[in-house]
Parts: sequence; structure tokens; C-alpha cells
Amino acid sequence: DADVTQTPRNRITKTGKRIMLECSQTKGHDRMYWYRQDPGLGLRLIYYSFDVKDINKGEISDGYSVSRQAQAKFSLSLESAIPNQTALYFCATSDATSGRVEFFGPGTRLTVL
Amino acid sequence: AQSVSQHNHHVILSEAASLELGCNYSYGGTVNLFWYVQYPGQHLQLLLKYFSGDPLVKGIKGFEAEFIKSKFSFNLRKPSVQWSDTAEYFCAVNQWTDKLIFGTGTRLQVFP
Repeated sequence: DADVTQTPRNRITKTGKRIMLECSQTKGHDRMYWYRQDPGLGLRLIYYSFDVKDINKGEISDGYSVSRQAQAKFSLSLESAIPNQTALYFCATSDATSGRVEFFGPGTRLTVL
Repeated sequence: AQSVSQHNHHVILSEAASLELGCNYSYGGTVNLFWYVQYPGQHLQLLLKYFSGDPLVKGIKGFEAEFIKSKFSFNLRKPSVQWSDTAEYFCAVNQWTDKLIFGTGTRLQVFP
């Protein structure tokens, strides 16, 4: 069974639509992260959360928002999607006992037309 | 700004060739260093990590990396690559912020 799951796995949407990507984890980790991956740019941090009441902006938070509904759930929203948000999105988790190693979900491929 | 550089963007090797992928970071002080691998169509998986101690770190699948503090480097090596090593490799660093900073990745293609 997967420890970090993401839904949906693939999504095609149109410019201006609101999109929510969801992440759930069964690892019991308190820290959760959202990254986007673009060819040639590696992974860039969008938002991260160290516990349910903690939300922090990452490197590229503009155009995105997040919600930490519970320790195990961390959602990423695109309020009004635009084509340059087409990317592969990864959720990740970690905690102090994992030695700051982040465990990644399978990714969501988002295409904004 | 903190940064991680991977100078090899695309590496093409034949099976049994030796591999070395470069990684340099821009921080001073104590750092934690990681190499992740992403096989085609899959998510990132940890290959190896360095927190402290022996600067030569051994990971899964025969990979190793050497931390050279004076050079701010953490290069990944494998003596003999296999076709199944075809993947994208990411170096990552964190310091006291608990956020991972990734390099841009190196795409490795291994031909039989």
C-alpha cells in the first residue's frame, strides 16, 4: 500500500478554472510539502506545513493556496488556473524521526489548456 | 540565495561504464545532503543521504556519494552502470530550515 497518495493522478483543465489537488499520507508524519516539477528546472517548493496549524510559502507560491485539513491531508488549490501552471505536482512528507528525508507521492500531472 | 547546482544535464553511457554526477551547493555550515532518483513515470525515491560522519556514503543499487566539505560538493558515483539505471537524478540539500532545495536534475540514459 502506498504511504503517500495523490488524487487525481492526471487532470486536464481550462484556463480560469479552479483546481484542487489532494494528498493523503499514512506515514504519521507531521510535515507535508507541495512541489512542482518542470523539465530542466527540477523540483520547486510551493508550500509546506510543519503541522496542522502551520502553513508556509515556498519558493513559488504565487497563484496557489493550500489547506492542511488534518495531519494526514494537505491540499493544493489553483484558484484560477493558467497554462504556465502545467506541470507535474508532487506531495511529500517528512518528520524529525525520518531524518528530514522526504517521502514522495506518485505525482499529479496537470495540464492547463 | 541558497542553491544547488547539477552541471551535467544529460549524460549518455553504455552499460558497464562508470558514472559520476556532479552536485555543488552554495551554503556554509552544517548541511544534510541527498540524492534522489526518478525512474521514468515514477515518483522520486531516496538513493542515499549524508547527515554526518563518514563522508563516503553508500546507497541502494550500488550507488555511492562523497561529501567534500571544502569543495561544497556531493558527487554521485557508480562503478558500472546498468540499463536499469536510466532515470533522472536529483541532488538536494537542506540546512536548518527543514526545506529541501533541489538541483535541476541530471537525465541519465544507459544503452545496452
